[in-house]
Amino acid sequence: SQKIEQNSEALNIQEGKTATLTCNYTNYSPAYLQWYRQDPGRGPVFLLLIRENEKEKRKERLKVTFDTTLKQSLFHITASQPADSATYLCALDVPLIKAAGNKLTFGGGTRVLVKP
Amino acid sequence: DGGITQSPKYLFRKEGQNVTLSCEQNLNHDAMYWYRQDPGQGLRLIYYSQIVNDFQKGDIAEGYSVSREKKESFPLTVTSAQKNPTAFYLCASSIGGLAGVREQFFGPGTRLTVL
Repeated sequence: SQKIEQNSEALNIQEGKTATLTCNYTNYSPAYLQWYRQDPGRGPVFLLLIRENEKEKRKERLKVTFDTTLKQSLFHITASQPADSATYLCALDVPLIKAAGNKLTFGGGTRVLVKP
Repeated sequence: DGGITQSPKYLFRKEGQNVTLSCEQNLNHDAMYWYRQDPGQGLRLIYYSQIVNDFQKGDIAEGYSVSREKKESFPLTVTSAQKNPTAFYLCASSIGGLAGVREQFFGPGTRLTVL
């Protein structure tokens, strides 16, 4: 079955610096990979989706890369702010055969703490 | 406002009891999902439903049951057969079927504690 791993250690970073998170996967070649943000005690919120034929995707201060050869995705937060402090989850996106929907396999998440 | 609601926010259960967690969405989404999250871990898929009156087991379905009688509702029952039910339960939905629209929308979660 698919396996997806994120660095379980928290990432402490100074405000204004770039945070880089790693997501590695095995036993599957996803057509899509998604990133979510989760605040304590709340549900995840979708951030970005990247397709296998895309090397890079950007949204405001966020950037995601997808290297299907290395089986790795990198998630960057540039010019980080204390409000960016949260846990970030990556997920393999597997299409479902019948009709609607897709199956997400989540990594354990990486907690980011941005210090002022 | 469109979104997903889950109730209750906190739920306490005695061992041996079944409990039902509610999930309602007014986004008109076809697909709905239930996940379980344990402390410091990612989400694991319990059940999913792609259409009314149909649902499929996810990766950890043992000890759980669901129903999908209405498009907007996907309740989860945690039965006494679930050996370690204490966890944070998250419901999600997605449009599905449309190219490029693959994100899942999550509810606020229900924290279940077995006493």
